[in-house]
Amino acid sequence: QSALTQPASVSGSPGQSITISCTGTINDVGSYHLVSWYQQHPGKAPKVIIYEVFKRPSGVSARFSGSKSGNTASLTISGLQAEDEADYYCCSYAGGFIFGTGTRVSVL
Amino acid sequence: QLHLQESGPGLVKPSETLSLTCSVSGVSISSNTYLWGWIRQPPGKGLEWIGNIYPGGSSSYGGTTSYDPSLKSRVTISIDTSDNQFSLRLTSVTAADTAIYYCASLFLPRNAVANWFDPWGQGTLVTVSS
Repeated sequence: QSALTQPASVSGSPGQSITISCTGTINDVGSYHLVSWYQQHPGKAPKVIIYEVFKRPSGVSARFSGSKSGNTASLTISGLQAEDEADYYCCSYAGGFIFGTGTRVSVL
Repeated sequence: QLHLQESGPGLVKPSETLSLTCSVSGVSISSNTYLWGWIRQPPGKGLEWIGNIYPGGSSSYGGTTSYDPSLKSRVTISIDTSDNQFSLRLTSVTAADTAIYYCASLFLPRNAVANWFDPWGQGTLVTVSS
């Protein structure tokens, strides 16, 4: 099982919107509506921000949204804020679980 | 409120066995609405799923297990209901097993698949070195 492919880095200015892609295969992202996204600040444990492609846990900002098309899932952060600067990982259920390669988000 | 905390040695010698425990508070580890999982993160790298255990089913490990294929021959996850905790054993470790090890829970929706990790423990760094 190979890791899902994410861009290494994405950056944006405060207030802008950015989108992070997560590309898998027909055997994982393409077959299951079960993609989750995690935010990880330096030195901290990951925290779920999206599950089942587009659902937000209680307490997570509505600025985070998820979607999926074919073998690619996406995370969009709207109204980018300084506190959004972190690493982001996608994860797909595929019998077991496969994580993405991770994306470093920088706020310019 | 569900809380998880990892514990175990921070240094393991090559070829030996890595053993970690995850203490769970806020819910019974025997609950049929949660699975319990381990994930690791090598220094400066991404997340890697190790495996999960579900308390249901008959098994000498206390539940039904699922492991990453690349680690399956070396990994065992088990449940200790008396102490409300679950454990990870990884045999024949090498430097490539050096990582922060996280435990996490997975909620099992009704008539669905448990598919997201929440919450996570704070993580514990395990270094493999002689």
